[in-house]
Amino acid sequence: NAGVTQTPKFQVLKTGQSMTLQCAQDMNHNSMYWYRQDPGMGLRLIYYSASEGTTDKGEVPNGYNVSRLNKREFSLRLESAAPSQTSVYFCASSVVRDLYGYTFGSGTRLTVV
Amino acid sequence: QQPVQSPQAVILREGEDAVINCSSSKALYSVHWYRQKHGEAPVFLMILLKGGEQKGHEKISASFNEKKQQSSLYLTASQLSYSGTYFCGTPMGAAGNKLTFGGGTRVLVKP
Repeated sequence: NAGVTQTPKFQVLKTGQSMTLQCAQDMNHNSMYWYRQDPGMGLRLIYYSASEGTTDKGEVPNGYNVSRLNKREFSLRLESAAPSQTSVYFCASSVVRDLYGYTFGSGTRLTVV
Repeated sequence: QQPVQSPQAVILREGEDAVINCSSSKALYSVHWYRQKHGEAPVFLMILLKGGEQKGHEKISASFNEKKQQSSLYLTASQLSYSGTYFCGTPMGAAGNKLTFGGGTRVLVKP
């Protein structure tokens, strides 16, 4: 049982380049999330998908786009990377009801130079 | 509005106790607690619901004071494995699963 799988684990981009972070879960969860974590800080929500076909902005959505490809997959795209987007990105999933916690992926460490 | 955690860091000797607080400026109906070890993903510990009972995980327990809009996490008889950063998460809206997280409390348990 893999849980939540993120790819890649590490990435270095040049300013202005684009890339897509991939996330897939095999737990049949409806809700999926993208968070970023900066050094010494908590997790901040970028985008959220309550169910297949729906997405919603979180606390820090500027500079990002998302796609909920199907129930399993939720991708995050940086169209034109900036140094301020250097961070660790976590994907997470959960069931719909607020009785269960999130399952997080292992993270993608992104550096924009 | 992100919840506020205190203290920001705590150092313990094995066997000692500690309390981590999580406060919100708005009414809460649930609080999540997670632990993150260095270089790893956060791991869900427990959820506290409004009107619910105090929860426990290993010798880690938590309480939820709805009137004070606050939750506390209790590390009892701490073990080396308790080291890590603890985060509380609270719902962003009246319903749904979107969580906003506190800034975290770094816990170091020494032998």
